[in-house]
Amino acid sequence: AQTVTQSQPEMSVQEAETVTLSCTYDTSENNYYLFWYKQPPSRQMILVIRQEAYKQQNATENRFSVNFQKAAKSFSLKISDSQLGDTAMYFCAFMLLTRSNYQLIWGAGTKLIIKP
Amino acid sequence: EAQVTQNPRYLITVTGKKLTVTCSQNMNHEYMSWYRQDPGLGLRQIYYSMNVEVTDKGDVPEGYKVSRKEKRNFPLILESPSPNQTSLYFCASSMNWGAPGYTFGSGTRLTVV
Repeated sequence: AQTVTQSQPEMSVQEAETVTLSCTYDTSENNYYLFWYKQPPSRQMILVIRQEAYKQQNATENRFSVNFQKAAKSFSLKISDSQLGDTAMYFCAFMLLTRSNYQLIWGAGTKLIIKP
Repeated sequence: EAQVTQNPRYLITVTGKKLTVTCSQNMNHEYMSWYRQDPGLGLRQIYYSMNVEVTDKGDVPEGYKVSRKEKRNFPLILESPSPNQTSLYFCASSMNWGAPGYTFGSGTRLTVV
């Protein structure tokens, strides 16, 4: 069974700093996707970034980038120039590519607080 | 606007009183799913549906029912709610194979007393 582990329950940084959130996962499969989702206090789930396992290049979306280490099964999220609006819960999630279910397996989340 | 609409947003009910949480999507997505979110556990899948009339259990299906009579609707039914079903519930939809990525509803905060 696949599992996702986020080892940092809570982090806080000053505005404009860079912060890295950790995520490790466990799978014996080769084809999968990895995601980072943001959940602000409004509780809406917002996709931050997505990484295909077959791609060696790390995904980036503006201030958000990932460090994908497939052999180590690690998928960390780096937020550069952090902003107050980045304050939220961040979830790492894994999706196995099968034709029977597009289930997302989720980590427990990291609460990120950006301080002014 | 492409969206998944969940209702209600908040619900307080008593143990044993049947309830339904509705979910509707306007994107013609084949795949729909229900998750519950609990502190320290992330999100866990309750049920999913690959298409109309095709549903299956996720990881935590006990105490829940679903139906998929139409492509756009995927209601979650709690026949006899219990306090351990107090949680935040999300409905999500996705296109099928080749386009992974969910669109989530806004969530339903359910409290069973």
